[in-house]
Amino acid sequence: GAGVSQSPSNKVTEKGKDVELRCDPISGHTALYWYRQSLGQGLEFLIYFQGNSAPDKSGLPSDRFSAERTGGSVSTLTIQRTQQEDSAVYLCASSLAMGTADEQYFGPGTRLTVT
Amino acid sequence: DAKTTQPPSMDCAEGRAANLPCNHSTISGNEYVYWYRQIHSQGPQYIIHGLKNNETNEMASLIITEDRKSSTLILPHATLRDTAVYYCIVRRRPRNMRFGAGTRLTVKP
Repeated sequence: GAGVSQSPSNKVTEKGKDVELRCDPISGHTALYWYRQSLGQGLEFLIYFQGNSAPDKSGLPSDRFSAERTGGSVSTLTIQRTQQEDSAVYLCASSLAMGTADEQYFGPGTRLTVT
Repeated sequence: DAKTTQPPSMDCAEGRAANLPCNHSTISGNEYVYWYRQIHSQGPQYIIHGLKNNETNEMASLIITEDRKSSTLILPHATLRDTAVYYCIVRRRPRNMRFGAGTRLTVKP
């Protein structure tokens, strides 16, 4: 079946511009996560959506970052007034349900470069 | 979350078993051990997870010591395509997963 998809695969933007990154989770998965991975760094949690519950935004690095999930499916991560330190690979993952042993399936990521 | 310690790199001959260790001495009773891997330029891929008992699936086996302070991921017959960075994560709540540096496994012909 179809996995998690993300678009665009690559995005180059100028410092100060806003960007939107899209994630299409696996059909039927109620949980959706955003992470970012900087060059040579591990994975950093950003935000989590589960069903109709309020999202867990505890990982967002600043108020320039926001995300929404429409209709419980597609999600958009928005970065306003991008900075060079925002350059990273942004990864989306989805899972069937929130639980202590729930595996997450990752998309291929969006490589963001801020010039 | 319990901290994990993994060797930074390992080599394995193609066709042989790859045994990747992970130490998690501060693990709590309700924390699971997860393993993911990331092949270059791809998103992380779930491999296996366990709580107390050893687990096996089509990709790998997970051996957890009786005191749960360490575990070993076993790829029974490593192939060149198994070359990747392998991450051991101990979590009670998977939504806030944070990967460390992991182990870079290189499978050699």
